[in-house]
Amino acid sequence: EVQLVQSGAEVKKPGESLKISCKGSGYSFTSYWIGWVRQMPGKGLEWMGIIYPGDSDTRYSPSFQGQVTISADKSISTAYLQWSSLKASDTAMYYCARPLYSSSPPGAFDIWGQGTMVTVSS
Amino acid sequence: AIRMTQSPSSFSASTGDRVTITCRASQGISSYLAWYQQKPGKAPKLLIYAASTLQSGVPSRFSGSGSGTDFTLTISCLQSEDFATYYCQQYYSYPPMYTFGQGTKLEIK
Repeated sequence: EVQLVQSGAEVKKPGESLKISCKGSGYSFTSYWIGWVRQMPGKGLEWMGIIYPGDSDTRYSPSFQGQVTISADKSISTAYLQWSSLKASDTAMYYCARPLYSSSPPGAFDIWGQGTMVTVSS
Repeated sequence: AIRMTQSPSSFSASTGDRVTITCRASQGISSYLAWYQQKPGKAPKLLIYAASTLQSGVPSRFSGSGSGTDFTLTISCLQSEDFATYYCQQYYSYPPMYTFGQGTKLEIK
């Protein structure tokens, strides 16, 4: 079964750092892009960025460029989303997602992680 | 960046109704358009991709159409399980860059 399993919920204070993870299984992890999507409480979906684990090619939405870092460790089939200094406005659910195709263009996201809730509060 | 605008933002309907949600892209995106359904507390679910291709396992009462800048999602006969929020998403660019619409919340009348 193809699946993405995300790390558990986090509660952090403003200014702290954080790295959340997304582990892929049941497919060739290095052959598919993995994207990250933010959903703030009661709000819509926002695409943050995407990484190709095969060569670590990474693209960011202009809205998130410089705010987060996306990375991957292909040896353990895991993608990451990290912050160096969290803000209260980073409080949100974060999803990782895999597109339909390993070829170009990769297409829509058909496989989603279960989501990681990040709460930033003093 | 390509912007996606959905309408309406929210909508009330009854089971058995036929409903249509529209999505407009700020520039032409050919047929690189997907629709997702999201229920509270759940991850989004892919319904339609390539503007009109039904994802495996999705009921045939869902359909999509359009190309270029204007797209529609139609639910032909609303069922109780269809009350949810729907999002369009473009994936026109390569290297991949995606944009979601703001969402349409479909509520029971």
